[in-house]
Amino acid sequence: GDSVTQMEGPVTLSEEAFLTINCTYTATGYPSLFWYVQYPGEGLQLLLKATKADDKGSNKGFEATYRKETTSFHLEKGSVQVSDSAVYFCALKRDSNYQLIWGAGTKLIIKP
Amino acid sequence: EAGVAQSPRYKIIEKRQSVAFWCNPISGHATLYWYQQILGQGPKLLIQFQNNGVVDDSQLPKDRFSAERLKGVDSTLKIQPAKLEDSAVYLCASSLWHQHTEAFFGQGTRLTVV
Repeated sequence: GDSVTQMEGPVTLSEEAFLTINCTYTATGYPSLFWYVQYPGEGLQLLLKATKADDKGSNKGFEATYRKETTSFHLEKGSVQVSDSAVYFCALKRDSNYQLIWGAGTKLIIKP
Repeated sequence: EAGVAQSPRYKIIEKRQSVAFWCNPISGHATLYWYQQILGQGPKLLIQFQNNGVVDDSQLPKDRFSAERLKGVDSTLKIQPAKLEDSAVYLCASSLWHQHTEAFFGQGTRLTVV
């Protein structure tokens, strides 16, 4: 069945470091791909999305490119801040029944 | 635009008691999801509605969990009787009925079963 695999955390970086969080997926059809973020004590909120192959989603300095050939949607940021500390979830939305399939989440810790 | 509203925010009950959660999705959103999120894990889909019909409830423990979405708007999720392992955050989300649109989440209800 459809699935999303994320790199395990926690990922610990120093402020201003480059960030990559890997996400790969298995799906039939043409899913849309999403990154959500969950800050401590808060709900899930959309960070960015891409709806077709080669689309790049971007928001708040974060970027991810929908790569159909490698079935990947890696999250990147050039210079992280302490305020980016959160749990990041990769998800896909099926094009059949619009079900959301989630990765397990990657906890990101940024040290000053 | 008003977001997804959930209540209560927190609930503590004893095992074998019953509990109900309420969700009011964003106006016009046909799809409504209920998720269970255990600490340190990703959201697990319990049930997905399109309007007032069920799209997927394959992971809903039907011997103790039930959900309804009357008139295709508000939804309630009930647990009866609760078990210790039901302690989790219960998230409600809504989305337009389209593959490219994101889901919007409520703040969740944190349930503790003691």
